[in-house]
Amino acid sequence: QQPVQSPQAVILREGEDAVINCSSSKALYSVHWYRQKHGEAPVFLMILLKGGEQKGHDKISASFNEKKQQSSLYLTASQLSYSGTYFCGTDYHYGGSQGNLIFGKGTKLSVKP
Amino acid sequence: DAGVIQSPRHEVTEMGQEVTLRCKPISGHNSLFWYRQTMMRGLELLIYFNNNVPIDDSGMPEDRFSAKMPNASFSTLKIQPSEPRDSAVYFCASRLGRPDNEQFFGPGTRLTVL
Repeated sequence: QQPVQSPQAVILREGEDAVINCSSSKALYSVHWYRQKHGEAPVFLMILLKGGEQKGHDKISASFNEKKQQSSLYLTASQLSYSGTYFCGTDYHYGGSQGNLIFGKGTKLSVKP
Repeated sequence: DAGVIQSPRHEVTEMGQEVTLRCKPISGHNSLFWYRQTMMRGLELLIYFNNNVPIDDSGMPEDRFSAKMPNASFSTLKIQPSEPRDSAVYFCASRLGRPDNEQFFGPGTRLTVL
């Protein structure tokens, strides 16, 4: 089942903060975050694992609430380069990974000068 | 290091024709994924290989779609016959090792079926 992302779109001024949410109706093993700029391929940002481990980008932070089956991506002091569409990808197999990801529909972030 | 390589980058074809998309994963990566991206449906997983073996093809839309991975350095996604609703960007991604490692995406193939 596809995770639900919110908001669908957000417009920021440089230096402002944003939070992007990703919710699942099923228990999660991990949540992966990717960013895609227009006309380009998705690029990895971070992975959050059941149990609290995180791997990824040092300027972007995220949280993973296993009980609520949701993750949030925190973009602080946004820069123009943060513009793009953010996707969460969820790995569903509770207790172990299935190895594949189901992506949400994305959140389009626009950062203006 | 070369990333994931996909060809062609753009393909325009007529309805009913066969289309073959190609992917070369990053050397040493043992998992390969094919995705389709459209405005309406977003980024959908079509099929996933691990060590050249198809593990999950539940996302393949119908029998017109088939994928192969004859060796660790090459995969194809074939659509026969193609239809206008197959128009999309098709991405290939590869991953090394554990499921909690990142996937590296290729540049994609933009397919237009007229």
